[in-house]
Amino acid sequence: DAKTTQPTSMDCAEGRAANLPCNHSTISGNEYVYWYRQIHSQGPQYIIHGLKNNETNEMASLIITEDRKSSTLILPHATLRDTAVYYCIAAGNQFYFGTGTSLTVIP
Amino acid sequence: GAVVSQHPSWVICKSGTSVKIECRSLDFQATTMFWYRQFPKQSLMLMATSNEGSKATYEQGVEKDKFLINHASLTLSTLTVTSAHPEDSSFYICSASRQGREAFFGQGTRLTVV
Repeated sequence: DAKTTQPTSMDCAEGRAANLPCNHSTISGNEYVYWYRQIHSQGPQYIIHGLKNNETNEMASLIITEDRKSSTLILPHATLRDTAVYYCIAAGNQFYFGTGTSLTVIP
Repeated sequence: GAVVSQHPSWVICKSGTSVKIECRSLDFQATTMFWYRQFPKQSLMLMATSNEGSKATYEQGVEKDKFLINHASLTLSTLTVTSAHPEDSSFYICSASRQGREAFFGQGTRLTVV
């Protein structure tokens, strides 16, 4: 599976959009981009995934560049409950986790 | 999203004993299940991948005789930590997916070996 690179940590003001970047320059054609988040001492929560088109659901939007080498997860209106570690994974059949981005939403 | 249930949520066992952790997909049939281990302040480390009815594939460095995985049905996988020692204390997490689809994770099991 492709390795992903994410910033170690980010802050976001409550109510503002949180934009979390991810680089996956070695992604292969059949690998999807998945985003999960983990709140302390819980299992990861699925957020969204995509192959090459931008995707949106009730939680977030996923923007994938045309060359698929990077993506951005957008939380449109961050709340305090969005404080978590966010993992970007480029995966085919297996899900390998990188170090993720620790997002802190500030009141 | 789909629901994956892990049991127990936490367990304390004596050194040298074995512990079994169950992972169930409650509302879908999981062709593949994954087991992870997570140490404090670290990311999830994939231990093994199991497909229903076949032997699990272990990641490099994971002892298959120590971490026994059984995936007997499309809704149940078990991880047995045999002859547990304090260094096996960790947060164990399972996930389940349908063929080529997103994976859903259980709530995790906190294992403490004393």
